[in-house]
Amino acid sequence: NAGVTQTPKFRILKIGQSMTLQCTQDMNHNYMYWYRQDPGMGLKLIYYSVGAGITDKGEVPNGYNVSRSTTEDFPLRLELAAPSQTSVYFCASSGTVGSTEAFFGQGTRLTVV
Amino acid sequence: ILNVEQSPQSLHVQEGDSTNFTCSFPSSNFYALHWYRWETAKSPEALFVMTLNGDEKKKGRISATLNTKEGYSYLYIKGSQPEDSATYLCAFLRGTASKLTFGTGTRLQVTL
Repeated sequence: NAGVTQTPKFRILKIGQSMTLQCTQDMNHNYMYWYRQDPGMGLKLIYYSVGAGITDKGEVPNGYNVSRSTTEDFPLRLELAAPSQTSVYFCASSGTVGSTEAFFGQGTRLTVV
Repeated sequence: ILNVEQSPQSLHVQEGDSTNFTCSFPSSNFYALHWYRWETAKSPEALFVMTLNGDEKKKGRISATLNTKEGYSYLYIKGSQPEDSATYLCAFLRGTASKLTFGTGTRLQVTL
């Protein structure tokens, strides 16, 4: 039972570099989310998707892009990494979201230097 | 209340104490309220999903109540144990129920 899988687990980027955080779920969930965890701030929503081909901004979308070409995959793209993007990133998915829980990946710790 | 707010921010109790936390959320256009438990170096895991005013859920020593008209939910832990030490998050869904918005959490430490 893989659930939600995120890669990589750790990454160090230099300022201005780009990277993609991968997220895959095998539960056929329509809803998928990207969050970042900042100290003392809980989880902030970056982007979310309600199904393949549909994405929308969350609370802190600046500096990020997403795509959802399949139900399973929801990659998060950082185009020009900045120190402010140093954080732990979590991907989550949910079936019907209102009446069912969200399942989280194990997180990606990203450091931008 | 415009966003999800949790209180207290942190809590330190002794083993055997009972405790409770509060999650406040906008009362208009309510859809659902989730509670999650988040241990250090792990991922959040769901405790409860609540959708109806007056809902009461229980899992072992942990229970939760929901008041959608006044916009709050309480999480109770009876007889706290060291393994209950974690951050407890609530998450709110409004209206179209697509955007799952989290509070900042209550960090609980239980000592012997």
